[in-house]
Amino acid sequence: AQSVAQPEDQVNVAEGNPLTVKCTYSVSGNPYLFWYVQYPNRGLQFLLKYITGDNLVKGSYGFEAEFNKSQTSFHLKKPSALVSDSALYFCAVREGGNNRLAFGKGNQVVVIP
Amino acid sequence: EAGVAQSPRYKIIEKRQSVAFWCNPISGHATLYWYQQILGQGPKLLIQFQNNGVVDDSQLPKDRFSAERLKGVDSTLKIQPAKLEDSAVYLCASSFQGADTQYFGPGTRLTVL
Repeated sequence: AQSVAQPEDQVNVAEGNPLTVKCTYSVSGNPYLFWYVQYPNRGLQFLLKYITGDNLVKGSYGFEAEFNKSQTSFHLKKPSALVSDSALYFCAVREGGNNRLAFGKGNQVVVIP
Repeated sequence: EAGVAQSPRYKIIEKRQSVAFWCNPISGHATLYWYQQILGQGPKLLIQFQNNGVVDDSQLPKDRFSAERLKGVDSTLKIQPAKLEDSAVYLCASSFQGADTQYFGPGTRLTVL
């Protein structure tokens, strides 16, 4: 079965500093990887995805993610964090042929002013 | 463009009662998903529809959960009877047929007492 792991429960970062949220994956075949963000009392919002091609994927709100096949990782990054980036971030992988997503447990990001 | 709509936003019931949630997907999206998100976990797919047909319901507890999408547009998820462990946020998502990216609604937070 396809799966992702998000090893950290919470990431604290000072405003203006680089933000990294870690994700590793386990798949058979080529991975289809996604990042979603969830703000309090709201649904998940799509940030970016990797299907094929360039290992550096750019997404919404200044986020990007780097696909690393040798390390089976898909870390989410932002060069300069904003207080408004404080939210819950989920990594996900497509499993099966029906676009079903398997999500990680999520990482709480806290950006400190 | 209007997003995925869900109602109600919050629901509190006693165990053994029944409850229903409603979802209206983004216009033109043939695929509709229901996810269950338990506190501290990532969303887990319950059922996936393609138009009005079920594509994947392998993780749906069919003894108490049911879902329908009779006209291939909006959908209803029902729980009967509810158990304490059903307390969660129920998320609806939709996508174009065959597309990778899913768009989520705000969710319904269910509390079973």
